[in-house]
Amino acid sequence: GQSLEQPSEVTAVEGAIVQINCTYQTSGFYGLSWYQQHDGGAPTFLSYNALDGLEETGRFSSFLSRSDSYGYLLLQELQMKDSASYFCAVRFGGSQGNLIFGKGTKLSVKP
Amino acid sequence: DAGVTQSPTHLIKTRGQHVTLRCSPISGHKSVSWYQQVLGQGPQFIFQYYEKEERGRGNFPDRFSARQFPNYSSELNVNALLLGDSALYLCASSSRGGNEQFFGPGTRLTVL
Repeated sequence: GQSLEQPSEVTAVEGAIVQINCTYQTSGFYGLSWYQQHDGGAPTFLSYNALDGLEETGRFSSFLSRSDSYGYLLLQELQMKDSASYFCAVRFGGSQGNLIFGKGTKLSVKP
Repeated sequence: DAGVTQSPTHLIKTRGQHVTLRCSPISGHKSVSWYQQVLGQGPQFIFQYYEKEERGRGNFPDRFSARQFPNYSSELNVNALLLGDSALYLCASSSRGGNEQFFGPGTRLTVL
């Protein structure tokens, strides 16, 4: 089967750092993506890791370890607007359109 | 530039009916994917089309079908609707070689 595991909820305060972990078991693996979705909105792309290591984009960083089937999203200098659901997604086919999503982690940022 | 557009935004149907959802990708994008998102869950992959050919299919019954037109827009059809088909249906487009999928606002389908 194919599955992705991530925590269901995380709470943090403004200015803090939070890490959202994702472990996966899939029949094919081409890369790990992270998407953000605000309530009532559409998912928006944050990052993509195809190779092991850390990718940094502004306040957000994403890490991948293919040998451990594990990745994480690191959010720094949290802001209230970061309150949203965060999904890890595995690209399991040769085409980038084939994604398996985790159930999502709801992040609540408190003042 | 316009993003991914979907129509209609909301739809109410009754069990057994048929529904057609429409999606227009970002200009220049030839790949379109469809996802079903039930409240509180992540999007579930239904189909992917590239250059009008099916390139991927998720674990959904044959009641679900899709197609892509020469202008790269796409339709998702669902026959014999069940209560469990109530969900947000998302369409996403991407460019060749790109790692990012651009999602539309979705169609909220309610089956009564």
